[in-house]
Amino acid sequence: DIVMTQSPDSLAVSLGERATINCKSSQSVLDSSDNKHRLTWYQQKPGQPPKLLIYWASTRASGVPDRFSGSGSGTDFTLTISSLQAEDVAVYYCQQYRPTPMYTFGQGTKLELK
Amino acid sequence: QAQLQESGPGLVKPSQTLSLTCTVSGDSISSGSFYLNWIRQPAGKGLEWIGRIHASGRTGYDPSLKSRVTISLDTSKNQVSLRLNSVTAADTAMYYCARDPMVAGYLDIWGKGTPVTVSS
Repeated sequence: DIVMTQSPDSLAVSLGERATINCKSSQSVLDSSDNKHRLTWYQQKPGQPPKLLIYWASTRASGVPDRFSGSGSGTDFTLTISSLQAEDVAVYYCQQYRPTPMYTFGQGTKLELK
Repeated sequence: QAQLQESGPGLVKPSQTLSLTCTVSGDSISSGSFYLNWIRQPAGKGLEWIGRIHASGRTGYDPSLKSRVTISLDTSKNQVSLRLNSVTAADTAMYYCARDPMVAGYLDIWGKGTPVTVSS
């Protein structure tokens, strides 16, 4: 089974400061058919469904502020929020995709204000 | 912009079958341009992928749930259904449907979710 491990489990950051969340896959998420990393980041606020933030490791979804960025390759990936805003307080999940067993999520990282 | 809405009974008895529906608006399942997925989330916990279906009828399921899950579609109603049999308290969760735009590997549109409690 593919395991996605996020670190840290929780994070407290001051407004305007940088937040960094890591995600490690037990197997490479590179799709050799098109050379894209099938690694996605979601943001989930209380009482809401997850919201797509970053796909293919580094492509921002439509409407996502440019303070959110994704990076990484192979098995190690990072979500960075360059300047934390109050509305960024949420739980963040990474997710990988492979033909089998398809979609696997990390355990989530809770981001709070310091 | 497509929208997804889940519906179904909020309470299911243990050992019975959970049945949920996801209704798609703003796009047609028959277009074949996306997969529809079911994902669940127990209260206060993480996300678990259950399975998916394409307009062609092609399905995929998480191996840990495969023996109990059936996902089907009704193109005339633009709906996808989830059936999970032999439920236990461990199946209590918020259930979401979400769209993957043609095996892009990400879920770009999510429904608001529907809560299901398994209890006698």
